[in-house]
Amino acid sequence: AQKVTQAQTEISVVEKEDVTLDCVYETRDTTYYLFWYKQPPSGELVFLIRRNSFDEQNEISGRYSWNFQKSTSSFNFTITASQVVDSAVYFCALKRGSNYKLTFGKGTLLTVNP
Amino acid sequence: EADIYQTPRYLVIGTGKKITLECSQTMGHDKMYWYQQDPGMELHLIHYSYGVNSTEKGDLSSESTVSRIRTEHFPLTLESARPSHTSQYLCASSGSYEQYFGPGTRLTVT
Repeated sequence: AQKVTQAQTEISVVEKEDVTLDCVYETRDTTYYLFWYKQPPSGELVFLIRRNSFDEQNEISGRYSWNFQKSTSSFNFTITASQVVDSAVYFCALKRGSNYKLTFGKGTLLTVNP
Repeated sequence: EADIYQTPRYLVIGTGKKITLECSQTMGHDKMYWYQQDPGMELHLIHYSYGVNSTEKGDLSSESTVSRIRTEHFPLTLESARPSHTSQYLCASSGSYEQYFGPGTRLTVT
């Protein structure tokens, strides 16, 4: 069975602070894909990144960075110098290599205060 | 980037009414999905389709039904709306990997 755990239900930071959102996954598959989505107050889920199980390179995109570690089954997301516009619910998700459905975590509500 | 559209964005309707939530995508994706979500909460997959004339129930039991007559169109119907159906409904489509989501329909049944 697959499972995604986002242990942090809510995080509150002050603008310009760095913040890391944790994601731990469980799967027996050797081929799988991990994703992060952002859901701002408007409600739409916005795709941020995909990593496959064979690529453990960390990724950086502007103020966003992702740390994928198979040894700890984690795919953590860091926002550097957070901004108020980063306030949203962030979801981590897992996809089996042979399946098109996503298993989502329960999400982390990030509030960035000015 | 996928273009996926949902109408209406907001709907307030009385108990017992029949409603159809529309979802269309212009990317030619074979796979389409419907999720139910209370604001800021977990996403629950209620229906999915891997192609025309193919529909399956998702992980969460739902009284809604779907159809997939055209690749680009995946409407969801509630024959008789109830207050327990009040929620946000998100439609998504995908190729081989990530799913792309529409803006959602916020349904309120009074």
